[in-house]
Amino acid sequence: AQSVAQPEDQVNVAEGNPLTVKCTYSVSGNPYLFWYVQYPNRGLQFLLKYITGDNLVKGSYGFEAEFNKSQTSFHLKKPSALVSDSALYFCAVRDNDDYKLSFGAGTTVTVRA
Amino acid sequence: DGGITQSPKYLFRKEGQNVTLSCEQNLNHDAMYWYRQDPGQGLRLIYYSQIVNDFQKGDIAEGYSVSREKKESFPLTVTSAQKNPTAFYLCASTPEWGKNIQYFGAGTRLSVL
Repeated sequence: AQSVAQPEDQVNVAEGNPLTVKCTYSVSGNPYLFWYVQYPNRGLQFLLKYITGDNLVKGSYGFEAEFNKSQTSFHLKKPSALVSDSALYFCAVRDNDDYKLSFGAGTTVTVRA
Repeated sequence: DGGITQSPKYLFRKEGQNVTLSCEQNLNHDAMYWYRQDPGQGLRLIYYSQIVNDFQKGDIAEGYSVSREKKESFPLTVTSAQKNPTAFYLCASTPEWGKNIQYFGAGTRLSVL
């Protein structure tokens, strides 16, 4: 069975500071990893994905994520956070053999001006 | 929210009543999904459909039913057997089953009167 953990319910940062949202995963095979963002009362928007290749993945809105196989992590990062980055962020995973996605519980990011 | 339309945005259910949530997509996607979102629990898969006239139970299908008579439509019925229906419901689609990036609608918030 596959699973995702987002250990922090909330992350608070000041505008202009680096932002990190943590994600660890468990799969039986090779992982397919995703980050999505959700604004209040809206659907999820895709940010970035890791399938194979370079461990550092760049995505939308200046976000990037680093795949670390030994630590089974896929943390989301942004070098300089904006107030408009305040939202709910979800990490998701699937493995080779199961096309269903498993989502983490989500991390609420608040960026203060 | 791309080409996925969910309606209504808000829905209220009386005890013992069945209600149907609409999901329509104009993306020509084969696969469609229904998720339930509760605070602090992430997204849980209710039903999915790989192709028209086919659908499968997800992780929490009890108390729900679906149909997939047309490629563009995947309605979800919340039956009276679902004792705790209050949640945010999200519909998603992918070009093909197993194609990774899911596109989401804006969601329907269901409450019990």
